[in-house]
Amino acid sequence: GQSLEQPSEVTAVEGAIVQINCTYQTSGFYGLSWYQQHDGGAPTFLSYNGLDGLEETGRFSSFLSRSDSYGYLLLQELQMKDSASYFCAVRDNSWGKFQFGAGTQVVVTP
Amino acid sequence: DAGVIQSPRHEVTEMGQEVTLRCKPISGHNSLFWYRQTMMRGLELLIYFNNNVPIDDSGMPEDRFSAKMPNASFSTLKIQPSEPRDSAVYFCASRARAGDSNQPQHFGDGTRLSIL
Repeated sequence: GQSLEQPSEVTAVEGAIVQINCTYQTSGFYGLSWYQQHDGGAPTFLSYNGLDGLEETGRFSSFLSRSDSYGYLLLQELQMKDSASYFCAVRDNSWGKFQFGAGTQVVVTP
Repeated sequence: DAGVIQSPRHEVTEMGQEVTLRCKPISGHNSLFWYRQTMMRGLELLIYFNNNVPIDDSGMPEDRFSAKMPNASFSTLKIQPSEPRDSAVYFCASRARAGDSNQPQHFGDGTRLSIL
């Protein structure tokens, strides 16, 4: 079957570092994306990894290991506004179709 | 630039009624996706189009659901008849150039649907 596994919730204090892991099992693999969704809002794109390695965008970094079917999102210098749900999503075909994980709720405390 | 525009933002109706959700993708995007989000099932892909043609509708839950994309700037998702279990947030997303790996999906603000 096809699945994406990520933790359901992570809690951390302001200024800390959080790593959200994602393991996947899909019929095809063209890349791994991460999306952020605040309560009541729409998912917004954070990052994309098509090849193995680390992609850095400001305070956020994303990593992919295709041989391990594994990736992670690293949130550094956590801010209160980073409290949100984070979804990993695998692009599993050439049309750009993505399968989304169940999401990880990140709670940032003062 | 305008993002993906969905209407209505909220819809409350009684079971058995027809519901029509609308989506205007970002101009120039050629892929369009309809998702449903609930606490229990997360974000589910219902159907997606490429160049206005439905590519995969295997996520559509049953025949009560139908989607159309008559042109590049408009799509509808229709539920007839609606049932309480259809209550969810429905998102539309669009994406540029199906073959370009790095292009993300851009989501609209969603339609919060409540079926009483």
